[in-house]
Amino acid sequence: QQQVKQSPQSLIVQKGGISIINCAYENTAFDYFPWYQQFPGKGPALLIAIRPDVSEKKEGRFTISFNKSAKQFSLHIMDSQPGDSATYFCAASDQGGSEKLVFGKGTKLTVNP
Amino acid sequence: DGGITQSPKYLFRKEGQNVTLSCEQNLNHDAMYWYRQDPGQGLRLIYYSQIVNDFQKGDIAEGYSVSREKKESFPLTVTSAQKNPTAFYLCASSPWDRATDEQFFGPGTRLTVL
Repeated sequence: QQQVKQSPQSLIVQKGGISIINCAYENTAFDYFPWYQQFPGKGPALLIAIRPDVSEKKEGRFTISFNKSAKQFSLHIMDSQPGDSATYFCAASDQGGSEKLVFGKGTKLTVNP
Repeated sequence: DGGITQSPKYLFRKEGQNVTLSCEQNLNHDAMYWYRQDPGQGLRLIYYSQIVNDFQKGDIAEGYSVSREKKESFPLTVTSAQKNPTAFYLCASSPWDRATDEQFFGPGTRLTVL
């Protein structure tokens, strides 16, 4: 049973373009939605996170959009750069914070120069 | 330096042998986690521990065992009962706190069973 469905599996974007990764969930008890970034051979690191009391959160070039009624959330990377090339994971928790995260399967982003 | 260390980075074992993966953290975090990562499968939770001397099974605990004798250490043993042990293993830690925003991950151990 996949609790968080992530798409697309892979994404190729040109430098300067917008990268969009989507996630959907079924469990209405989820109340914390982080995105993690992972470079090859490394552990993931928190990129940005949102709680359902807001519909959007922006940190620099990274924005999370959250649609509670549709049970969907997405990551937007503006002005994508080759250094953004990595695998991105969405996740969710019903604990209010980072305890017991459920991860999506990941999206491999390639930003071409 | 504060953080999580995992050793070794690469590990090779023969089929049928048990192997123990090390995870140490100096972040004073209460909670520690073990994940398994396979290509295209995301991160799947093996075991987690909220406090010393206590741990809980995650989604794929079969064939694995853990101990939590010290706050800073959470070793994972991959037993011979694990049918497909070759994978990338990630350890993480966090405060067990509803206000916490992040699990901190180690660099991972790539286990190959020959």
